[in-house]
Amino acid sequence: DAKTTQPNSMESNEEEPVHLPCNHSTISGTDYIHWYRQLPSQGPEYVIHGLTSNVNNRMASLAIAEDRKSSTLILHRATLRDAAVYYCIPGREGSGAGSYQLTFGKGTKLSVIP
Amino acid sequence: NAGVTQTPKFRVLKTGQSMTLLCAQDMNHEYMYWYRQDPGMGLRLIHYSVGEGTTAKGEVPDGYNVSRLKKQNFLLGLESAAPSQTSVYFCASSYSRNSGGRTDTQYFGPGTRLTVL
Repeated sequence: DAKTTQPNSMESNEEEPVHLPCNHSTISGTDYIHWYRQLPSQGPEYVIHGLTSNVNNRMASLAIAEDRKSSTLILHRATLRDAAVYYCIPGREGSGAGSYQLTFGKGTKLSVIP
Repeated sequence: NAGVTQTPKFRVLKTGQSMTLLCAQDMNHEYMYWYRQDPGMGLRLIHYSVGEGTTAKGEVPDGYNVSRLKKQNFLLGLESAAPSQTSVYFCASSYSRNSGGRTDTQYFGPGTRLTVL
C-alpha cells in the first residue's frame, strides 16, 4: 500500500484560501488520490478524488503533481465549518482484494481562525 | 435519503457482555464496511462485505463478527466485550450497480461510541 505523509496540523484565517499538502511518493500508477475529511464528532465524508489531472468540485480543488508523488487539496475560502481533520488516501477501484479498502492515516487537523 | 444510519449512538458495556451494532443504508450499495477509530488515530477496517451473504476480514477483525443477511444491513457483533474494544465505530457503504459510483468512494454513518468497563 502507498504511504502518505501529511502535516499534523495547519491553521487558516477565515475566508482565506487553504492549501493542504500530501506526499505519496510510493503511489502506484493505478491508485487514485482521495481526500476525505472528518468534522468533529462525525463520520468521515468524501471530498474529492483524482488520478492525474487537477479536479474541481463544489467543495474543493485537487492539484496533482505531474509525477503524482504529491497532491494538494485547495479550499478556496475557508469557513469555520471547514475545521476538520483532512485525510489523503490512495485508493484503487476494482473487485480484487484490498482494492476498495481505504487506509486512513492520522490526517491534518485544520483549524480556522475567525 | 437517510444515507447511512447506525444504531445505537452510544453504549456502555461491562467486560464480557455481548452486543450488536446495526448499520443500515438506503443507497442500494453493494459494499459495506465496519471501521473503528481510537482517540487521536485514523480509522481501521474491522470487516467488510462485497454483497449480501458475504463478509471478509479487514485489518483488525479479532473479537468481532459480522453478518449481512440483507443488502441494506450490516451487523457488527461483539461476543465478549473487552476494555480494548472501547472505541468509536463507523459503518460505511459504497458502490451501486444501478447508479454506479466508485467502490472507493465511501459514505459514512455518524458513528457509535462504545465504552467497555
